[in-house]
Amino acid sequence: GQQVMQIPQYQHVQEGEDFTTYCNSSTTLSNIQWYKQRPGGHPVFLIQLVKSGEVKKQKRLTFQFGEAKKNSSLHITATQTTDVGTYFCAGRRGAQKLVFGQGTRLTINP
Amino acid sequence: NAGVTQTPKFQVLKTGQSMTLQCAQDMNHEYMSWYRQDPGMGLRLIHYSVGAGITDQGEVPNGYNVSRSTTEDFPLRLLSAAPSQTSVYFCASSYSSGTQGYTFGSGTRLTVV
Repeated sequence: GQQVMQIPQYQHVQEGEDFTTYCNSSTTLSNIQWYKQRPGGHPVFLIQLVKSGEVKKQKRLTFQFGEAKKNSSLHITATQTTDVGTYFCAGRRGAQKLVFGQGTRLTINP
Repeated sequence: NAGVTQTPKFQVLKTGQSMTLQCAQDMNHEYMSWYRQDPGMGLRLIHYSVGAGITDQGEVPNGYNVSRSTTEDFPLRLLSAAPSQTSVYFCASSYSSGTQGYTFGSGTRLTVV
């Protein structure tokens, strides 16, 4: 079946440092979505990428979809304590179901 | 506009008991789904529905049933609870399965003893 792998599983940074999480699929994806889940909370939709090579920015967050549409990344510049949480990618192939990666848990030392 | 509402928030069951987790959305979303979240395993799809009267299985459907009699409601039934079903359950909805981000409910934390 369709697999979406996400690395790293955990990342601890000092406040102000950058953070990146990577998402890789075994198959070509039609689109990829990113979600953030705060500790004790529920996943919240951040963004969707559809086009090959697409790059989107939300303030300090930069999302990228690979040229082959098999990988994606989320980069946070100058992390703040409000960025703490688990970041999930979720990929879809065609009309199939959305498959989530295992998530990257970000903790920040203030 | 309440979004996606899940009840109960917490539940403890004994092995073998049955129960229904409720999910309701007021956004007229066609697509609804149930996920379970376990440590280190991300979100795994249990069942989903693309509209009233239509349901299908996800990655981990065994031990669970669903129905979709209305657009608003998508209950998840545990037929005979097992300790392996201890998890956090999330209901999610969207306008369509392919083009929109999901709106998640706040979750139900289920413990089976």
